[in-house]
Amino acid sequence: GQQLNQSPQSMFIQEGEDVSMNCTSSSIFNTWLWYKQDPGEGPVLLIALYKAGELTSNGRLTAQFGITRKDSFLNISASIPSDVGIYFCAGPGGATNKLIFGTGTLLAVQP
Amino acid sequence: GAVVSQHPSWVICKSGTSVKIECRSLDFQATTMFWYRQFPKQSLMLMATSNEGSKATYEQGVEKDKFLINHASLTLSTLTVTSAHPEDSSFYICSVTNYNEQFFGPGTRLTVL
Repeated sequence: GQQLNQSPQSMFIQEGEDVSMNCTSSSIFNTWLWYKQDPGEGPVLLIALYKAGELTSNGRLTAQFGITRKDSFLNISASIPSDVGIYFCAGPGGATNKLIFGTGTLLAVQP
Repeated sequence: GAVVSQHPSWVICKSGTSVKIECRSLDFQATTMFWYRQFPKQSLMLMATSNEGSKATYEQGVEKDKFLINHASLTLSTLTVTSAHPEDSSFYICSVTNYNEQFFGPGTRLTVL
């Protein structure tokens, strides 16, 4: 079935650094969603992408929908300690269009 | 977006008992809600799709007799874990769909002793 692979699996950075993570698939997606999950909480939607090549920002976050429709990346600029969490990409896939989640990227930010 | 709540936020129960988890859509009428399970250090896995006024559809490998879903109104879906066992200990999260986006509840941590 469709899978979404995220890299890196984890990142440990200093406050103020920029971060980049990506999500790849072996098949085409028509929508890419990026979520952040804090420990013990449900995922929160950060950015939604609907068109190939689309570049969308939400504050310090920027995400792009790859032109092949098989990948997407998320950038975080000037990281702060509250950026800590797990970042998931997701997209509706398969015959039923159910949401498929990526493997996640754990981000740790040292003050 | 949509605001989703879950109750309880955490529960500890003895093996063999049943636990009910509620998912409420607070500002949106949801004909469809989703239930996910997340084990530590893993991603979210879809368990079932809850359909208002009709039977839920379950993902492959999820026992429908063990995880009972009721979606009696447009704002409430419940998941009952029947005869819970320690291996059912997990983080259960529900979501609602608004257009092409899904919005998640805060999750319920279930621990079965």
